[in-house]
Amino acid sequence: DSGVTQTPKHLITATGQRVTLRCSPRSGDLSVYWYQQSLDQGLQFLIQYYNGEERAKGNILERFSAQQFPDLHSELNLSSLELGDSALYFCASASTGNEQFFGPGTRLTVL
Amino acid sequence: GIQVEQSPPDLILQEGANSTLRCNFSDSVNNLQWFHQNPWGQLINLFYIPSGTKQNGRLSATTVATERYSLLYISSSQTTDSGVYFCAKASGGSYIPTFGRGTSLIVHP
Repeated sequence: DSGVTQTPKHLITATGQRVTLRCSPRSGDLSVYWYQQSLDQGLQFLIQYYNGEERAKGNILERFSAQQFPDLHSELNLSSLELGDSALYFCASASTGNEQFFGPGTRLTVL
Repeated sequence: GIQVEQSPPDLILQEGANSTLRCNFSDSVNNLQWFHQNPWGQLINLFYIPSGTKQNGRLSATTVATERYSLLYISSSQTTDSGVYFCAKASGGSYIPTFGRGTSLIVHP
């Protein structure tokens, strides 16, 4: 158990819908990272937050957004969902040492 | 170009065999991790190893930053070692890792 929690574990929804994925980092970690893992693209970095502020952006679509709250949990919002958004979404957290610890992931299926 | 290249892409072993997985990267490294993704999809930290050698039970890893590669050794493999092994590295002022495509390992009993 990495200490990073993600909910829900599975999510099935339809095209055009909007979903919210939630992540709670390890106790004491200020950084939260979001990743998307799909069969054809591998593990892709989406966005990083550090202590409530956006720190870095990767290959995140405009339809996707994220935030980190004062209690350090983070949410990833995916809207206008398309079939190609079906993937495993991971959250990771890190302390100042930069070693990342991953949550169990949310498996999103868009039908 | 490819920043993180892992080899081999696929590996099939008999239980008890040893193996070496390789991760080549194209520039400097300030952060390198090895992960195991088990068949249930969970990503498990194996090593945080930007340089040097570390050992944890049957696994060990070595990173030679000056020559831009890292190796993961698995000894006396077990069926529970099956899964995909990822190398992830960051460089420069960024600590955002780039992941390799992974090595898919199957260990047969």
